[in-house]
Order: sequence, then structure tokens, then C-alpha cells
Amino acid sequence: QSALTQPASVSGSPGQSITISCSGTSSDVATYNYVSWYQQHPDKVPKLMIFDVGNRPSGVSDRFSGSKSGNTASLTISGLQAEDEADYYCSSYTIHNTLVFGTGTKVTVL
Amino acid sequence: QVQLQQWGAGLLKPSETLSLTCAVNGGSFSGYYWSWIRQPPGKGLEWIGEINHSGTTNYNPSLKSRVTISIDTSKNQFSLNLISVTAADTAVYYCARAVPTRQYLRYWGQGTLATVSS
Repeated sequence: QSALTQPASVSGSPGQSITISCSGTSSDVATYNYVSWYQQHPDKVPKLMIFDVGNRPSGVSDRFSGSKSGNTASLTISGLQAEDEADYYCSSYTIHNTLVFGTGTKVTVL
Repeated sequence: QVQLQQWGAGLLKPSETLSLTCAVNGGSFSGYYWSWIRQPPGKGLEWIGEINHSGTTNYNPSLKSRVTISIDTSKNQFSLNLISVTAADTAVYYCARAVPTRQYLRYWGQGTLATVSS
């Protein structure tokens, strides 16, 4: 299975909003509303930020939001803060009963 | 509070078998899929596979021929075996809990670095 496609890097200034895209296929993102997003700081365990396309687990800031259109999902971070600087990965359930991750995006706060 | 604690050998030689175990404390052991994910140094996440309390497994097609995931419901533990390892299998290996079908991973183990080197 091929990894979902994400931009290698996205940057923004504090307070700005940024959006990370996650492109899949009819075998995954386009078919299911089961896209999740994870934040990973260096040498740390990934943290679930969004599940089922646009739902936030308790404890996750409402500055994080998710959406989907066709075969592309997106994660938006509003009011960018220094602590948001991290790697972000999307994932999706697939028609083969498997999970596929995105290629990962490094977010830099300028 | 759900906690996952994992352990296993950290240094292997090529052709050996990587074996890791993950113990689950708190929450229900049934009703979820128990997953393994890995991350090579400096690279992205790769899903390895999963198992539920009934022993039903799903594997990444690219690893399926070398991977076995098993479960011990009496101990609330599950394990990963990866045979015939090479340097390309060097990675941090994570265990995690997945919600069936929706497949989001809310709880993760602490990660174990497995290094394959002659």
C-alpha cells in the first residue's frame, strides 16, 4: 500500500493559520471518513490530534481542526504557537482492512 | 487510564527474529484492535499490523510474509515477531490501541528502538 501524500514542510508565523494536506485514493481517504492526524515532537511518542476527519480527543486544543474533500484531507492549525512546531502525520483506514500513514509534514513556526 | 508498556530485544543481527511484547493496563482489552507501528530513524510512521482479542489479524501487505502478531488475553498482552530482519528493519517500534475500523490510535506505548547490525 502506498503512503498518503503530505507536503514535506509547512511554515507560518505565530498567530497565523496553516493547513496541511493529506492526499489519498479511492482505496482510503476518498471512501472512508476515518482520517486521523498525529503530532510528534522530536523523540516523543505520536499524539492523536484529530480522529474521524474532524473530531478532537478531549484535551486537544480547539486551534486544531480537520476536514476532508474527495480524496484529500486537511489539518488546520489556527493561532499558530511555538509549541505547535512538530511533525504531523495523517492516517486513513483502507478498503483492505489496513491502516496507512501519510509521508509526514514538518511544521516550522517562524 | 489506559497504559501500554512494551519491551523486547534492542540489538539484533541480520537474519534474526525481532520479538516485542506490549502489556495493557486499564480499560477494556476486548473491543479494540492492538497494533504495531514502526518508525525508522529520521523517517515516517509505518503501520505493521494489528490483532483483536479473538485473534483476528490484519497485516501491512509489504511485511505480511515476515510478521506474526499474537495475543495472550489471560495476561492482557500482545506480541510482535518479525523474522529475517535486515538493517532496513532498524526502527523505533510502537504498540498502540486502535478503535476497530475507525482505526485511530489514542494510546501508545513508549517505543522500543530495535537496531539490526552485524
